[in-house]
Amino acid sequence: AQSVTQLGSHVSVSEGALVLLRCNYSSSVPPYLFWYVQYPNQGLQLLLKYTSAATLVKGINGFEAEFKKSETSFHLTKPSAHMSDAAEYFCASVNDYKLSFGAGTTVTVRA
Amino acid sequence: DTGVSQNPRHKITKRGQNVTFRCDPISEHNRLYWYRQTLGQGPEFLTYFQNEAQLEKSRLLSDRFSAERPKGSFSTLEIQRTEQGDSAMYLCASSLLDYPTDTQYFGPGTRLTVL
Repeated sequence: AQSVTQLGSHVSVSEGALVLLRCNYSSSVPPYLFWYVQYPNQGLQLLLKYTSAATLVKGINGFEAEFKKSETSFHLTKPSAHMSDAAEYFCASVNDYKLSFGAGTTVTVRA
Repeated sequence: DTGVSQNPRHKITKRGQNVTFRCDPISEHNRLYWYRQTLGQGPEFLTYFQNEAQLEKSRLLSDRFSAERPKGSFSTLEIQRTEQGDSAMYLCASSLLDYPTDTQYFGPGTRLTVL
């Protein structure tokens, strides 16, 4: 079964700095991967998804992720952090249409 | 497209009581999912429906839990004889069945606190 591992439970960045959130997957077949964001006391909002059409996936709010098969990775990046990016981010894979989530990475943005 | 809605947003109950949550999916979506999220963790799959048929249940869904989607539209999740370990955020998601995979859109969740 496919699964994902998020490296780093907390990331702190300065406003305007690069945001890099790490996600590795384990799978023997091409995975379908997602990044979701969760603001405090809210549900999950889809940022972007990978379905093998392109290795570089652009999402909402300036985020993008690159699928690297050689590294089994699907890291999420944003060139310049904004205060509104403070939230929890989840990487997820799909198994028979069911999402399997990583433990999440909390992002804090310093002014 | 009004999004997925869930009611109530918050529920506080005493141990041993029954609770019921409701989820209204995006109108044209034929799949509906329930997940549970405990503090500091990612959501975990509980069950899902395609139209009114419940296709799969996780082993996390004990006999005290029951979910229905009677007319293939809204869904309810009932927990009987609640326990403190049931305290969590219960998330609903809906999707339009697609190949190779559909995209799930989440509601705001219902936060359950069992005292």
